[in-house]
Amino acid sequence: DVKVTQSSRYLVKRTGEKVFLECVQDMDHENMFWYRQDPGLGLRLIYFSYDVKMKEKGDIPEGYSVSREKKERFSLILESASTNQTSMYLCASSSAGTGRGYTFGSGTRLTVV
Amino acid sequence: GQQLNQSPQSMFIQEGEDVSMNCTSSSIFNTWLWYKQDPGEGPVLLIALYKAGELTSNGRLTAQFGITRKDSFLNISASIPSDVGIYFCAGQRSGGSNYKLTFGKGTLLTVNP
Repeated sequence: DVKVTQSSRYLVKRTGEKVFLECVQDMDHENMFWYRQDPGLGLRLIYFSYDVKMKEKGDIPEGYSVSREKKERFSLILESASTNQTSMYLCASSSAGTGRGYTFGSGTRLTVV
Repeated sequence: GQQLNQSPQSMFIQEGEDVSMNCTSSSIFNTWLWYKQDPGEGPVLLIALYKAGELTSNGRLTAQFGITRKDSFLNISASIPSDVGIYFCAGQRSGGSNYKLTFGKGTLLTVNP
């Protein structure tokens, strides 16, 4: 069964900490995405990558960075976590040009205290 | 970033009732997709539509790609308690940015047994 795996389901971090959220896909997909999901705001795109070492800012990149050193892995980094980054984070991947949408991971519920 | 207009925002229905939700856009999409997100999980693809006017079923779910390519709807017949969750529509364009989906904010469905 093809999968997008997020390393943690739940995380609690302190304000100011550097936080790494990891995502791995086993479908050889070119494209990978990070979203955050908040009640009433839907899914908001943070960053995406269409190739190894390539990255582009989404709609809300402030306070975040990403790394894609290998095709299967896309990491989201919170440089200095703040309480307003408490959210559900979703990773997704897709195959280039197929128009078949994304496969999502199960999400990481991050709480910053 | 653009988001699709998805309605209703939430629905509270009795088990056995039919449900209808829709998505509209000011611009054209080449693919429409419908996802369901169970509580605490990532979204899962339910139905993908690739042609204007296309009507596709998946069990009790039926979705249509609008003729104008600017809208889509999802119907659920004879709802059951496990239909509870958030339903998202998404549109995808072909061309240079074809790897990015545009999402609606979701419809939260609650089914009362």
